[in-house]
Amino acid sequence: NAGVTQTPKFQVLKTGQSMTLQCAQDMNHEYMSWYRQDPGMGLRLIHYSVGAGITDQGEVPNGYNVSRSTTEDFPLRLLSAAPSQTSVYFCASSYSGSYGYTFGSGTRLTVV
Amino acid sequence: DQQVKQNSPSLSVQEGRISILNCDYTNSMFDYFLWYKKYPAEGPTFLISISSIKDKNEDGRFTVFLNKSAKHLSLHIVPSQPGDSAVYFCAASVNQGAQKLVFGQGTRLTINP
Repeated sequence: NAGVTQTPKFQVLKTGQSMTLQCAQDMNHEYMSWYRQDPGMGLRLIHYSVGAGITDQGEVPNGYNVSRSTTEDFPLRLLSAAPSQTSVYFCASSYSGSYGYTFGSGTRLTVV
Repeated sequence: DQQVKQNSPSLSVQEGRISILNCDYTNSMFDYFLWYKKYPAEGPTFLISISSIKDKNEDGRFTVFLNKSAKHLSLHIVPSQPGDSAVYFCAASVNQGAQKLVFGQGTRLTINP
């Protein structure tokens, strides 16, 4: 059982480039979310989804897009990377009605 | 505005003693609280949670206490073990909605032998 799988683990982008962070879960969880972790800020919610075809914004959505075409996948797209998006990104999933999110191991993104 | 605050960035405790990690919140609508543990280069893992209808929840060596009037919760680890060295995050949600957790900044716990 793989759990929540994030790819890539590390990425360096130039300012203005776009890319997609991949997230897949094999637990048939309804809920999926993206968080970013910055020093001294804890984890902040970017976007979340309560099921296939349904997404909504979190606390810091600007500069990011998501889609949820299947239950398993929840990719995060950076439209035009900026140095302020340098961070560690975590994808998480859970059953509806459950509170113990399962997190992936993270993607460390550096924008230069 | 930080709705969930962990004011101690770090804590050092001797092995075998009690570790107490604290968390304060400002939003009175929060009704579910969680603690997560994070090792370097890994994602956070769920540790323990508590509903606002309770003031205490235990799971083995871990106990979470909730003081709603003070908008304060704490995590007690007894006895502390070297494997407990990690960063601990508290988190809160409104309407017990797991999809929108608000996290604190984290506290780095170091257990010394």
